[in-house]
Formats: sequence, structure tokens, C-alpha cells
Amino acid sequence: GESVGLHLPTLSVQEGDNSIINCAYSNSASDYFIWYKQESGKGPQFIIDIRSNMDKRQGQRVTVLLNKTVKHLSLQIAATQPGDSAVYFCAENMGDYKLSFGAGTTVTVRA
Amino acid sequence: EPEVTQTPSHQVTQMGQEVILRCVPISNHLYFYWYRQILGQKVEFLVSFYNNEISEKSEIFDDQFSVERPDGSNFTLKIRSTKLEDSAMYFCASGSQAMNTEAFFGQGTRLTVV
Repeated sequence: GESVGLHLPTLSVQEGDNSIINCAYSNSASDYFIWYKQESGKGPQFIIDIRSNMDKRQGQRVTVLLNKTVKHLSLQIAATQPGDSAVYFCAENMGDYKLSFGAGTTVTVRA
Repeated sequence: EPEVTQTPSHQVTQMGQEVILRCVPISNHLYFYWYRQILGQKVEFLVSFYNNEISEKSEIFDDQFSVERPDGSNFTLKIRSTKLEDSAMYFCASGSQAMNTEAFFGQGTRLTVV
């Protein structure tokens, strides 16, 4: 499953498929980006980060891609599992002391 | 695994009353933050705190809000006279460095103003 365009609020994906969550950021001077996962009733949980001098970073089952030309960030989740159901937020570092969060994409994994 | 803890998990208060939300950041962290999330909306930055003073604050963080680190472990957010629109989840976060590294978030306090 893939969220097309700049951002979709929901993404439904079949268990075992790959998920792609997209995010557009606002500040071309931002130099640090994070993807957070938020499960119901919990705080944001760090997934993966990337600095602006990179265009790709891989973690365990997750990959973040950064396209600075169009100010676009994506999170790819391989072999999506039921435990991946959550709201996913991208966040950018607007300065030393704060993060600016995107609107979030709700991912629902179908069994 | 170290974690940020927040109390209470849910606070109900009458409009106009003062509330204090409490946080215990991760012990060796130096940077502390409050964020809020109105139901169904994105997480919004409120304030950052380092070296016993505010580093940065948003437009939301007006004179009704204040933060304090009263001792070596607690970090509090006070709202002096709550309004209905202050109802939200309030998240405390802490980090070991300035915000070019991950911040660890607590589970949040759900504030309901009635």
C-alpha cells in the first residue's frame, strides 16, 4: 500500500505487503528529520531518523528516503505486520530546540 | 530501558482552575520539552527548556503557561487559568543533546477542561 500525493490521512495495507508513507516538509533549511509511530493512548515512539546530508537510511524493516529538492520524506515499512497499525508522524527540526510535526497518517493493517 | 514518565495520566479540571502536569525525564538528559496534541490533530510544540531556562517557546505558550524544574528529577508544566481549548494530550519529552537527535516522549497526560 502507498499513500499517494503529498499526504493522505489513512493508509490500509494487507499484512505482509510493503507500506509507503509520504510526508512533505516546509522548511528547506531543516537539517534533521524523524519518523515517529504513535499507538493509541501512547506517546510518539521514535522509529528512524535521517540528516539532510543523506538521502536514504535503513533500519530494521524500515527505510527513510529524503528528497531535498522537492522537500519530501517517505517511510517504507517492509512486510507490514498487525503491530505496525498506528499513526505515523514525520517531524522536522526547525531549529535546535524544537520539532515540527506533520499531520500524521493512520496505517491500518488488514489480516 | 529508561523512559519518560508523566503523571497523572488523566486530569479533569474546571475552567479557570490551575493545573500542574508532572514529568520525570530520563535521568541523564539535559533538554526537556512539552508538546500537546488536541484530539485527532498533530503534535504541537509548546516549549523547550535547557540549563534551567526556556530555550524556545511557541505562540501557544502564552502567559498562562509556565514550566519549572523544581529539583533534579521533575519537570512541570503549569497552566494558571485553564480554558476549554486547553483540553488535549500533553506530552513531555527529553533528549541528551540539542534537538538534532531523537527526543524520547512520555505516555502523555490527557487534560480535560470542563
